[in-house]
Amino acid sequence: EPEVTQTPSHQVTQMGQEVILRCVPISNHLYFYWYRQILGQKVEFLVSFYNNEISEKSEIFDDQFSVERPDGSNFTLKIRSTKLEDSAMYFCASSEWGGNTEAFFGQGTRLTVV
Amino acid sequence: DAKTTQPNSMESNEEEPVHLPCNHSTISGTDYIHWYRQLPSQGPEYVIHGLTSNVNNRMASLAIAEDRKSSTLILHRATLRDAAVYYCILMETSGSRLTFGEGTQLTVNP
Repeated sequence: EPEVTQTPSHQVTQMGQEVILRCVPISNHLYFYWYRQILGQKVEFLVSFYNNEISEKSEIFDDQFSVERPDGSNFTLKIRSTKLEDSAMYFCASSEWGGNTEAFFGQGTRLTVV
Repeated sequence: DAKTTQPNSMESNEEEPVHLPCNHSTISGTDYIHWYRQLPSQGPEYVIHGLTSNVNNRMASLAIAEDRKSSTLILHRATLRDAAVYYCILMETSGSRLTFGEGTQLTVNP
């Protein structure tokens, strides 16, 4: 069964450093998403991406964050100058179509900022 | 996003049916009802979604009230692997984001 894969599974970084979280969405999917889940809290939407541009973003997704589809298979989330409060599980998801279709989530990258 | 209300937790026994309720009294006519679940230490997983009619798939059934102000996710025979947090989420027809609430923590007893 096709799946969304994320690397690395765990990333530790120092406060102020830049990190790039990587995702390989399912190959025929057109919509890509990033969500995050701080330990013990709800899953929160960050951004959706379609046709090489951001289609929607949340209040959390400020100038510190950026997304990119650098080639035909990868989808990345970059966090510039990480803060302690960025420590969370980051989930990538993709769907064949937008709107009311099934979203497939990856297993997540646990980001720890020290 | 329209709000949903779910019980914080529910318990079931293995191989018995489970009915997970969700109230969404402020649902609009164009909101779809989605269910996702999150197993421990994993990403969310799609379960089912519907608009007005009841829906069935290999994982579960979704029963939607006639007035659409509530719905019930039905797991026909719970297994230990079904222990997870279940989220009921409303999404507009043209929407793309999933707004997760606290969900219902389902415990399945052997």
